[in-house]
Order: sequence, then C-alpha cells, then structure tokens
Amino acid sequence: GAVVSQHPSRVICKSGTSVKIECRSLDFQATTMFWYRQFPKQSLMLMATSNEGSKATYEQGVEKDKFLINHASLTLSTLTVTSAHPEDSSFYICSAGSGTSGVFSDTQYFGPGTRLTVL
Amino acid sequence: EDQVTQSPEALRLQEGESSSLNCSYTVSGLRGLFWYRQDPGKGPEFLFTLYSAGEEKEKERLKATLTKKESFLHITAPKPEDSATYLCAVRLLDTGGFKTIFGAGTRLFVKA
Repeated sequence: GAVVSQHPSRVICKSGTSVKIECRSLDFQATTMFWYRQFPKQSLMLMATSNEGSKATYEQGVEKDKFLINHASLTLSTLTVTSAHPEDSSFYICSAGSGTSGVFSDTQYFGPGTRLTVL
Repeated sequence: EDQVTQSPEALRLQEGESSSLNCSYTVSGLRGLFWYRQDPGKGPEFLFTLYSAGEEKEKERLKATLTKKESFLHITAPKPEDSATYLCAVRLLDTGGFKTIFGAGTRLFVKA
C-alpha cells in the first residue's frame, strides 16, 4: 500500500506555544487528507478533511481557529495546534486518500501518528 | 441521538476459530460505514468502505457486510497476526454538516 509519513513522531511543548505537524504522502498524490485525534485508550475522532488547494472542512465541534490545517500540495498537509494547552495533548493521526467519490475517499492510508504532550 | 456501538468489547479466539464483530448504528443521513484495524501505539489501517445496505466487501480473511442498522466484520480462520483493535465509523450528513462517529472498537486476541 501507499506510504504516509508524519513529522514529528513525538513533540513536547510548553503551554501557549504553537505546534506544527506535517503529513506527507510519499508515493502517491493525495487529493484528500484527513486529520484525527485519539485520546489514550479511546477511539478515533475525525477533526477535519482537507482537499488540496482549498479550505479544510471541519467536523462539528472542532475549533477552526485552534486547529489550522493547510493542504498546499498533493503530497503535504499540515496541522498547526495554536496556543496549545494540556488538554490538547493527544495522538494526532493523518490519513491520505486519492479517491474521488464524494467527500470521503474510498481508500485511506494512515500515517504513524504524532504524540503531542503539552506541559 | 446519533450513535455507533461495537460489540463485543473484546474477543478471544483460537487460531482458526471463525467469528464476527458487530457495529450497530442509529444515525440518519448515512453516507458511509468504514472499518479499520489498529495495532497498539500505531496509526490505523483502513480496511473497507460500505455505502449501502446489502453491500459486501472482502479482503483476505475478512468480509464486511452492511444492513440498514448494523455492519458485521466476519473473520474466517483467524491467525495470531489478526490480533488488533477493529474500529468502525459512520459518516453522516445532518443539518450541521458532515459528521463522523467512531465506535469504541473491539479488541481481538487470536491465540495460536
């Protein structure tokens, strides 16, 4: 299957700082990228869907100004957690898809995740 | 209220012992149901997308089916490497826009 990478794999930051997480599709062009978060021992939560060159579509209840998503190219999307606080500590996972069937891709390839700890 | 419930929470099988995982949902405006597997500490692996009742998809030892109120993930002759947490999610469209709801997952343990 296709390869999706995330950087960094782990990040620790102080409260109030902003953190940027990169998601790259290494061997295919991702028309759609998805960002999820997962709390320890809990299920996934989809945060937003982004299509290359357009604004991200956020899920209900997700703060757009808090979680900035940029999908500048077909191989790169970034998630910036602005003014991070301890409650933002979580496992952030991206996935990339190349399907064209509506809002959700038929097939998604997931990155390995980024563990964010805010002190 | 839109809800997704997976059962059982955990399932222990012997190698070769076929079984099914359940994902039941009470949502309106379903736009798709998805199955994933996830190993501890790792990102999920996408398995299937199902869009309409009666649809079935297969991949190796796995087969996913969908009705109007639930989906089953059938595992035929499982192997120890099938041990993982299996997640289902539904995608729906309501007045507030698109929403994706994940179930809590079923932890599968397959013993050799």
